[in-house]
Amino acid sequence: DQQVKQNSPSLSVQEGRISILNCDYTNSMFDYFLWYKKYPAEGPTFLISISSIKDKNEDGRFTVFLNKSAKHLSLHIVPSQPGDSAVYFCAASGTSNTGKLIFGQGTTLQVKP
Amino acid sequence: GAGVSQSPSNKVTEKGKDVELRCDPISGHTALYWYRQSLGQGLEFLIYFQGNSAPDKSGLPSDRFSAERTGGSVSTLTIQRTQQEDSAVYLCASSRQGKSYEQYFGPGTRLTVT
Repeated sequence: DQQVKQNSPSLSVQEGRISILNCDYTNSMFDYFLWYKKYPAEGPTFLISISSIKDKNEDGRFTVFLNKSAKHLSLHIVPSQPGDSAVYFCAASGTSNTGKLIFGQGTTLQVKP
Repeated sequence: GAGVSQSPSNKVTEKGKDVELRCDPISGHTALYWYRQSLGQGLEFLIYFQGNSAPDKSGLPSDRFSAERTGGSVSTLTIQRTQQEDSAVYLCASSRQGKSYEQYFGPGTRLTVT
């Protein structure tokens, strides 16, 4: 039973355009959502997070949107740059600040120059 | 400063052998996590250590898997009697007190069981 799903395994966008990565979850008890970025042969790096009490969090070119009624979150990257090409993982955490993260399968983003 | 380090970076072992994977977390980080990523899959939680509390072992897939954290720092993940389905990248992460969502990952150990 996959509680966090990223249904698009890959996405290709042109440099300068917007990249939108999507994530769906099933557990309404999740209280924190995160996006991690992973380059080949490296561990994931934390990108941006959002609490379940908010619907938007912005950090520079990166914005995460949370739609709790739809159990859906998305990551927007504007403008996209070739260096953004990586695998993006959506993750969710339950209560009690345990730090135990449930990850989606990842979406490979390719930004073409 | 130094990030999370893991050793070895690659490990090839024969089915049935035991393996030990090591993780050195970032100095001062109180929490340490082990995940694994099988081919084409997301990261799967294995085990979590927080300070002196009992570890959360709820993600360990079988009793062949165990982990310990000595002195609140270095951790070792041990897999006994390895099976081919254990082949994966094993990732370690650490986080600061009160910042458990922002986990810093090591580069991982790629384990191949032949």
